[in-house]
Amino acid sequence: GENVEQHPSTLSVQEGDSAVIKCTYSDSASNYFPWYKQELGKGPQLIIDIRSNVGEKKDQRIAVTLNKTAKHFSLHITETQPEDSAVYFCAASSGYKYIFGTGTRLKVLA
Amino acid sequence: DTGVSQNPRHKITKRGQNVTFRCDPISEHNRLYWYRQTLGQGPEFLTYFQNEAQLEKSRLLSDRFSAERPKGSFSTLEIQRTEQGDSAMYLCASSWGLADTDTQYFGPGTRLTVL
Repeated sequence: GENVEQHPSTLSVQEGDSAVIKCTYSDSASNYFPWYKQELGKGPQLIIDIRSNVGEKKDQRIAVTLNKTAKHFSLHITETQPEDSAVYFCAASSGYKYIFGTGTRLKVLA
Repeated sequence: DTGVSQNPRHKITKRGQNVTFRCDPISEHNRLYWYRQTLGQGPEFLTYFQNEAQLEKSRLLSDRFSAERPKGSFSTLEIQRTEQGDSAMYLCASSWGLADTDTQYFGPGTRLTVL
Protein backbone atom coordinates (compact mmCIF):
# COMPACT_ATOMS: atom_id res chain seq x y z
CA GLY A 1 0.00 0.00 0.00
CA GLU A 2 0.92 3.66 0.01
CA ASN A 3 3.70 4.48 2.45
CA VAL A 4 5.95 7.38 3.42
CA GLU A 5 9.13 6.73 5.36
CA GLN A 6 10.70 9.58 7.29
CA HIS A 7 14.18 9.85 8.84
CA PRO A 8 15.56 10.55 11.31
CA SER A 9 12.98 10.10 14.05
CA THR A 10 14.87 12.51 16.32
CA LEU A 11 17.40 15.19 15.46
CA SER A 12 19.35 17.46 17.79
CA VAL A 13 21.31 20.41 16.41
CA GLN A 14 23.08 23.39 17.88
CA GLU A 15 21.45 26.76 17.38
CA GLY A 16 22.63 28.23 14.09
CA ASP A 17 23.38 24.87 12.50
CA SER A 18 21.37 23.33 9.66
CA ALA A 19 18.87 20.49 9.93
CA VAL A 20 17.88 18.05 7.20
CA ILE A 21 14.91 15.67 7.28
CA LYS A 22 14.41 13.09 4.56
CA CYS A 23 11.31 11.29 3.27
CA THR A 24 10.73 8.52 0.76
CA TYR A 25 7.36 7.74 -0.78
CA SER A 26 6.09 4.62 -2.49
CA ASP A 27 3.22 5.83 -4.71
CA SER A 28 4.69 6.98 -8.02
CA ALA A 29 1.46 8.90 -8.70
CA SER A 30 2.18 11.27 -5.80
CA ASN A 31 2.43 14.82 -7.07
CA TYR A 32 2.17 17.05 -4.01
CA PHE A 33 4.47 17.08 -0.98
CA PRO A 34 3.67 19.34 1.99
CA TRP A 35 5.67 19.68 5.20
CA TYR A 36 4.03 20.41 8.54
CA LYS A 37 5.35 21.57 11.89
CA GLN A 38 3.51 20.39 14.99
CA GLU A 39 4.08 21.85 18.43
CA LEU A 40 2.95 20.15 21.59
CA GLY A 41 -0.83 20.13 21.94
CA LYS A 42 -1.41 21.84 18.61
CA GLY A 43 -2.47 20.80 15.14
CA PRO A 44 -0.02 20.51 12.23
CA GLN A 45 0.92 23.83 10.65
CA LEU A 46 1.95 23.98 6.99
CA ILE A 47 5.45 25.40 6.60
CA ILE A 48 6.30 24.69 2.96
CA ASP A 49 5.12 22.53 0.08
CA ILE A 50 6.29 21.45 -3.35
CA ARG A 51 4.58 20.04 -6.42
CA SER A 52 6.03 17.42 -8.70
CA ASN A 53 6.81 19.81 -11.55
CA VAL A 54 9.36 21.63 -9.38
CA GLY A 55 12.68 20.32 -8.08
CA GLU A 56 13.32 22.82 -5.32
CA LYS A 57 11.50 25.53 -3.42
CA LYS A 58 12.81 27.96 -0.84
CA ASP A 59 11.17 30.25 1.70
CA GLN A 60 13.62 32.21 3.82
CA ARG A 61 15.41 29.67 6.07
CA ILE A 62 13.38 26.71 4.84
CA ALA A 63 13.84 24.80 1.59
CA VAL A 64 12.45 21.59 0.15
CA THR A 65 13.98 19.46 -2.59
CA LEU A 66 12.29 16.74 -4.62
CA ASN A 67 13.82 13.87 -6.58
CA LYS A 68 10.93 12.19 -8.41
CA THR A 69 13.10 9.50 -9.95
CA ALA A 70 14.29 8.31 -6.56
CA LYS A 71 10.95 9.17 -4.87
CA HIS A 72 12.80 11.22 -2.26
CA PHE A 73 12.08 14.65 -0.86
CA SER A 74 13.86 16.56 1.89
CA LEU A 75 13.35 19.50 4.22
CA HIS A 76 16.29 21.79 4.90
CA ILE A 77 16.27 24.33 7.72
CA THR A 78 19.23 26.70 7.90
CA GLU A 79 20.35 28.91 10.79
CA THR A 80 18.16 26.97 13.22
CA GLN A 81 16.63 28.78 16.18
CA PRO A 82 15.19 27.44 19.46
CA GLU A 83 11.67 28.17 18.20
CA ASP A 84 12.24 25.67 15.38
CA SER A 85 12.05 22.91 18.00
CA ALA A 86 8.96 20.83 17.20
CA VAL A 87 7.86 17.66 15.43
CA TYR A 88 8.01 17.86 11.64
CA PHE A 89 5.90 15.70 9.34
CA CYS A 90 6.27 15.12 5.63
CA ALA A 91 3.35 13.99 3.52
CA ALA A 92 2.74 12.78 -0.02
CA SER A 93 -0.48 13.00 -1.98
CA SER A 94 -1.83 12.06 -5.40
CA GLY A 95 -5.33 13.28 -4.63
CA TYR A 96 -7.23 14.46 -1.58
CA LYS A 97 -5.71 11.94 0.83
CA TYR A 98 -2.38 12.77 2.45
CA ILE A 99 -0.07 9.96 3.52
CA PHE A 100 2.07 11.19 6.37
CA GLY A 101 5.48 10.11 7.57
CA THR A 102 6.02 9.15 11.19
CA GLY A 103 7.54 12.48 12.15
CA THR A 104 10.91 13.89 13.19
CA ARG A 105 11.37 15.46 16.60
CA LEU A 106 13.79 18.37 16.11
CA LYS A 107 15.54 19.84 19.12
CA VAL A 108 17.52 23.02 18.67
CA LEU A 109 19.99 23.44 21.52
CA ALA A 110 20.76 27.00 22.60
CA ASP B 1 -9.98 34.30 8.52
CA THR B 2 -9.81 32.60 11.89
CA GLY B 3 -8.56 29.21 10.72
CA VAL B 4 -10.01 25.77 11.37
CA SER B 5 -11.56 25.42 14.82
CA GLN B 6 -12.43 22.24 16.69
CA ASN B 7 -14.47 21.62 19.80
CA PRO B 8 -14.03 20.36 22.37
CA ARG B 9 -10.24 20.46 22.63
CA HIS B 10 -10.20 17.64 25.13
CA LYS B 11 -12.70 14.90 25.92
CA ILE B 12 -12.46 12.23 28.59
CA THR B 13 -15.09 9.53 28.49
CA LYS B 14 -15.76 6.08 29.84
CA ARG B 15 -15.67 3.02 27.63
CA GLY B 16 -19.02 2.41 26.00
CA GLN B 17 -20.13 6.04 25.94
CA ASN B 18 -20.84 8.02 22.76
CA VAL B 19 -18.89 11.16 21.91
CA THR B 20 -19.30 13.84 19.25
CA PHE B 21 -16.72 16.30 17.97
CA ARG B 22 -17.27 19.40 15.92
CA CYS B 23 -15.13 21.03 13.24
CA ASP B 24 -15.63 24.47 11.76
CA PRO B 25 -13.55 24.84 8.59
CA ILE B 26 -12.06 27.99 7.15
CA SER B 27 -14.99 29.90 5.71
CA GLU B 28 -15.82 29.05 2.10
CA HIS B 29 -13.52 26.02 2.03
CA ASN B 30 -15.41 23.40 0.09
CA ARG B 31 -13.42 20.38 1.26
CA LEU B 32 -13.17 18.99 4.76
CA TYR B 33 -11.13 16.08 6.07
CA TRP B 34 -10.89 14.10 9.30
CA TYR B 35 -7.66 12.44 10.41
CA ARG B 36 -6.68 10.48 13.52
CA GLN B 37 -3.28 10.81 15.16
CA THR B 38 -1.96 8.47 17.83
CA LEU B 39 1.06 9.21 19.99
CA GLY B 40 4.31 9.26 18.05
CA GLN B 41 2.64 8.78 14.68
CA GLY B 42 1.63 10.95 11.78
CA PRO B 43 -2.01 11.72 11.06
CA GLU B 44 -4.01 8.94 9.35
CA PHE B 45 -6.81 9.75 6.93
CA LEU B 46 -10.34 8.89 8.09
CA THR B 47 -12.81 10.56 5.75
CA TYR B 48 -13.33 13.38 3.26
CA PHE B 49 -16.20 15.68 2.31
CA GLN B 50 -16.63 17.82 -0.75
CA ASN B 51 -19.31 20.29 0.21
CA GLU B 52 -21.93 18.12 1.97
CA ALA B 53 -21.06 14.87 0.19
CA GLN B 54 -18.91 12.31 1.99
CA LEU B 55 -16.75 10.93 -0.81
CA GLU B 56 -14.49 8.46 0.95
CA LYS B 57 -14.24 6.61 4.23
CA SER B 58 -11.06 4.87 5.32
CA ARG B 59 -11.07 1.27 6.49
CA LEU B 60 -9.98 2.77 9.83
CA LEU B 61 -13.49 4.16 10.19
CA SER B 62 -15.46 1.29 11.70
CA ASP B 63 -19.25 1.16 11.83
CA ARG B 64 -19.09 2.87 15.22
CA PHE B 65 -17.84 6.04 13.54
CA SER B 66 -20.05 8.42 11.60
CA ALA B 67 -19.33 11.82 10.14
CA GLU B 68 -21.63 14.42 8.70
CA ARG B 69 -21.31 17.80 7.06
CA PRO B 70 -24.81 19.24 6.76
CA LYS B 71 -25.14 22.12 4.32
CA GLY B 72 -21.46 21.88 3.50
CA SER B 73 -20.35 23.99 6.44
CA PHE B 74 -19.30 22.57 9.83
CA SER B 75 -18.79 18.85 10.33
CA THR B 76 -19.36 16.44 13.20
CA LEU B 77 -17.61 13.17 13.96
CA GLU B 78 -19.46 10.79 16.27
CA ILE B 79 -18.01 7.70 17.89
CA GLN B 80 -20.50 5.28 19.39
CA ARG B 81 -19.70 2.75 22.12
CA THR B 82 -16.18 4.09 22.56
CA GLU B 83 -13.31 1.69 23.15
CA GLN B 84 -9.91 2.32 24.74
CA GLY B 85 -8.34 1.94 21.30
CA ASP B 86 -10.24 5.02 20.16
CA SER B 87 -8.03 7.21 22.37
CA ALA B 88 -6.22 9.56 20.00
CA MET B 89 -6.08 13.10 18.66
CA TYR B 90 -8.80 13.70 16.07
CA LEU B 91 -7.76 16.33 13.56
CA CYS B 92 -9.91 18.21 11.11
CA ALA B 93 -8.56 19.96 8.03
CA SER B 94 -10.10 22.00 5.26
CA SER B 95 -9.13 23.19 1.80
CA TRP B 96 -10.46 25.09 -1.16
CA GLY B 97 -10.15 23.88 -4.68
CA LEU B 98 -11.34 21.93 -7.62
CA ALA B 99 -8.01 20.26 -8.40
CA ASP B 100 -7.18 16.77 -7.25
CA THR B 101 -4.71 17.98 -4.66
CA ASP B 102 -5.29 21.02 -2.48
CA THR B 103 -3.35 22.43 0.44
CA GLN B 104 -4.99 21.28 3.65
CA TYR B 105 -5.07 23.50 6.74
CA PHE B 106 -5.44 21.74 10.06
CA GLY B 107 -7.29 22.64 13.22
CA PRO B 108 -5.89 22.23 16.75
CA GLY B 109 -7.47 18.82 17.19
CA THR B 110 -9.65 17.14 19.80
CA ARG B 111 -7.81 14.83 22.15
CA LEU B 112 -9.98 11.90 23.19
CA THR B 113 -9.17 9.76 26.20
CA VAL B 114 -11.29 6.65 26.76
CA LEU B 115 -11.01 5.23 30.28
